[in-house]
Formats: sequence, C-alpha cells, structure tokens
Amino acid sequence: GAVVSQHPSRVICKSGTSVKIECRSLDFQATTMFWYRQFPKQSLMLMATSNEGSKATYEQGVEKDKFLINHASLTLSTLTVTSAHPEDSSFYICSAAHPGNKNFVAFFGQGTRLTVV
Amino acid sequence: AQSVTQLGSHVSVSEGALVLLRCNYSSSVPPYLFWYVQYPNQGLQLLLKYTSAATLVKGINGFEAEFKKSETSFHLTKPSAHMSDAAEYFCAVSGGSNYKLTFGKGTLLTVNP
Repeated sequence: GAVVSQHPSRVICKSGTSVKIECRSLDFQATTMFWYRQFPKQSLMLMATSNEGSKATYEQGVEKDKFLINHASLTLSTLTVTSAHPEDSSFYICSAAHPGNKNFVAFFGQGTRLTVV
Repeated sequence: AQSVTQLGSHVSVSEGALVLLRCNYSSSVPPYLFWYVQYPNQGLQLLLKYTSAATLVKGINGFEAEFKKSETSFHLTKPSAHMSDAAEYFCAVSGGSNYKLTFGKGTLLTVNP
C-alpha cells in the first residue's frame, strides 16, 4: 500500500504556544487529505478535509481558526494547533487519498501524540 | 449520512480460537466498508475493504469479512487468533468514493495464551 508519513510522532508543548503537524504522502499524489482526532480509548473523529490548493472544509464544531490546515502541495498537508491548551491534548491522525487511483482507500499516517502542559 | 455501530468494546479470545468482531452500519447511499487495525500509539492499518464487488472479502493476516446488506452488517472474522492480533479494531463506512470515513467506536481484542 501507499505510504503516508506523519511528523512528529510525539510533541509536548506549553499552553499558549502553537504546534505544527505534517502529513506527507511519500509515493503518491494526494489530492485530498483528512485530519482526524482521537481521544483516549475512543474512536476517530473527522476534523477537516483538505484539498490541494483550496481551503479546508471543517466538520461541524471544529474551530477553523484554532486548527489551521494548509495543503499547499500534492504531497504535504499541515495541521497547526494554535494557542494550544491542555484540552487540545489528543492523538491526531491524517489520511491521504488520490481519487484517481480508484482504489477507494485512504492511507493513514502513524499519528501524532500531542500533549499540552 | 453514515454511521457505524461496533457491538462490544472489548472482546477476549484464547489463542487459536475464532475471532468475531461485529459491525453494523447505516448509510443513505450504497456503502463502502472498511476494517482497520490500530496498535498502541500508531496509525491505522487497512485490513480489508468492501467496495460493491464480492460480498465476502479477504484481507491481510487471515482476516475476512462478509457484507450482508439485509442485515446491514460487516462482521470481521478470523478462524484462529494469534497473540499478535491483540489490538484495537475499527469498522468504518464511507458514502461511496469520497474517502471520508465514519468510524465505529472500536473493539479492543485481547488474545489470551
């Protein structure tokens, strides 16, 4: 399967600072990337859909000014958690898809464990 | 709109026993269904998918699932559990080819020696 790399795998930041998480598709062009959030022992909740070259589409209840998403190239999307607070601590996972492949599968990154102290 | 219900947040089996993880879905359009596995602090790995072809789908690591439209189910099975199968399993649905997944709450599989 295709490879999606997410970086960093773990990050600890101070409250009030911003953190950037990168999601890269290593061997295919990802026209669409998705950002999910996973609370401990819970399922994944879709935060936003990111299409290359256009603004991200956020799910209801997700603050777009807090979770900034940029998809400037076909292989890279970034999620920036701005002015982080302890309640933003979570596991963030991205997935990437190229609809032209017709395999209907989105491939997931390894996830980023964010801890805000 | 789509939704997924995974029955049983925790399933415990003995090594060598049958694994059965249950998933029921609802979808307003013909669904695409997926099973993913997640190991601690890692991302998701695709086990198998149903995308309107054969209703019995075989995946990696000996897992398979059967799509039953009449029961709106997509249960995951494996004839003989291995210790390495211990992980969290997620069933997910998408409304066709939009790649946007709705996940169930997950089932933690424990395999006892």
